[in-house]
Amino acid sequence: GQNIDQPTEMTATEGAIVQINCTYQTSGFNGLFWYQQHAGEAPTFLSYNVLDGLEEKGRFSSFLSRSKGYSYLLLKELQMKDSASYLCAVKGNYGQNFVFGPGTRLSVLP
Amino acid sequence: EAQVTQNPRYLITVTGKKLTVTCSQNMNHEYMSWYRQDPGLGLRQIYYSMNVEVTDKGDVPEGYKVSRKEKRNFPLILESPSPNQTSLYFCASSFPGLGPLHFGNGTRLTVT
Repeated sequence: GQNIDQPTEMTATEGAIVQINCTYQTSGFNGLFWYQQHAGEAPTFLSYNVLDGLEEKGRFSSFLSRSKGYSYLLLKELQMKDSASYLCAVKGNYGQNFVFGPGTRLSVLP
Repeated sequence: EAQVTQNPRYLITVTGKKLTVTCSQNMNHEYMSWYRQDPGLGLRQIYYSMNVEVTDKGDVPEGYKVSRKEKRNFPLILESPSPNQTSLYFCASSFPGLGPLHFGNGTRLTVT
């Protein structure tokens, strides 16, 4: 079976740092992807990890531990526009592409 | 501009009236997929296609059909829509390797 878990909601303050966790159990693994989705809009790609470790892209970083089935997305210097849902997705084997987690709704407060 | 184009953006229809949601991508992607998104349930895959004439069921295929006659197009067909198919639908495409999914802007469907 396939299962991906994320916290449902998080709240943080403008200028702070927030970490959004994702745990997964999937039958295949070819990468873990993070997407941002504003309400009613399409998900947009943020970051991905294939190997263990940290990937940094500006204010966003993503970490992966394949042995633990665990990833997190780190958002630094939070801005109001970062208020959105953040989706964790695992790319499986051929024919099992992109299983999405339920998403974490992040609210950034002034 | 590289993009995935879905039409229409909004659609209101009645139970039983066949409809098609179109999806086209200009990135020469082999892989295309349809998702529906409902509150509290996240993105659920309906059907996907690994290449032309190759399609397969996702997690929630009941009540939907797809076809992949050309690489760029992947229409979603609802032969007899029902109210429980009211949802936000997304088409997406990617290369089958490490490339991320690229999403269309979504189609909000209401079936009364």
